[in-house]
Amino acid sequence: QLQLQESGPGLVKPSETLSLTCTVSGGSISSSSYYWGWIRQPPGKGLEWIGSIYYSGSTYYNPSLKSRVTISVDTSKNQFSLKLSSVTAADTAVYYCAREAPSTVNYWYFDLWGRGTLVTVSS
Amino acid sequence: SYELTQPPSVSVSPGQTARITCSGDALPKKYAYWYQQKSGQAPVLVIYEDSKRPSGIPERFSGSSSGTMATLTISGAQVEDEADYYCYSTDSSGNHGVFGTGTKVTVL
Repeated sequence: QLQLQESGPGLVKPSETLSLTCTVSGGSISSSSYYWGWIRQPPGKGLEWIGSIYYSGSTYYNPSLKSRVTISVDTSKNQFSLKLSSVTAADTAVYYCAREAPSTVNYWYFDLWGRGTLVTVSS
Repeated sequence: SYELTQPPSVSVSPGQTARITCSGDALPKKYAYWYQQKSGQAPVLVIYEDSKRPSGIPERFSGSSSGTMATLTISGAQVEDEADYYCYSTDSSGNHGVFGTGTKVTVL
């Protein structure tokens, strides 16, 4: 069955760029039926949608993070990636990648999630 | 930016009914989805499109929506239902996802 796995550095210095990759296995990221997204959760806090991407490269970003976020897709490697620039301690969180499936016309929800990876921002 | 507001916590005794609300201005026109997150785990969908239950989710989980408020109800709560619950929807544009502030449900 389809699985998602986050990978990337667990420690990032303040002001630098956080980079994570999500590898999709057991299925193709190029399926026209799905979007692929990133969600984060600071320790002890709630979930925050970061953004989503279609296999064609079309993206949607959280307005509060848009100026710092770039999500890209590499269909040849069956991966999609997150870059978050100018990080601060407030960006310390567990970062999840997830598949976004349609429930009905123009409605999408996250149906499959990776296990999440903790990224700490500290010098 | 758009917000979905939930109560921080709800406590119930085993077998009783827990109700979790989610308030948002766009909810009259946008579906709500509900996720359950147990400690150290990724979220799991328990309700979609306001009131539909995915396969494998117990019948004690139900959802409803009226006006600017969506509600998740756990009828006959079990100890294993202890978790954080998040509503999820979109803003009025439909292009930006938003999670609710989250509710910790305690069953004791």
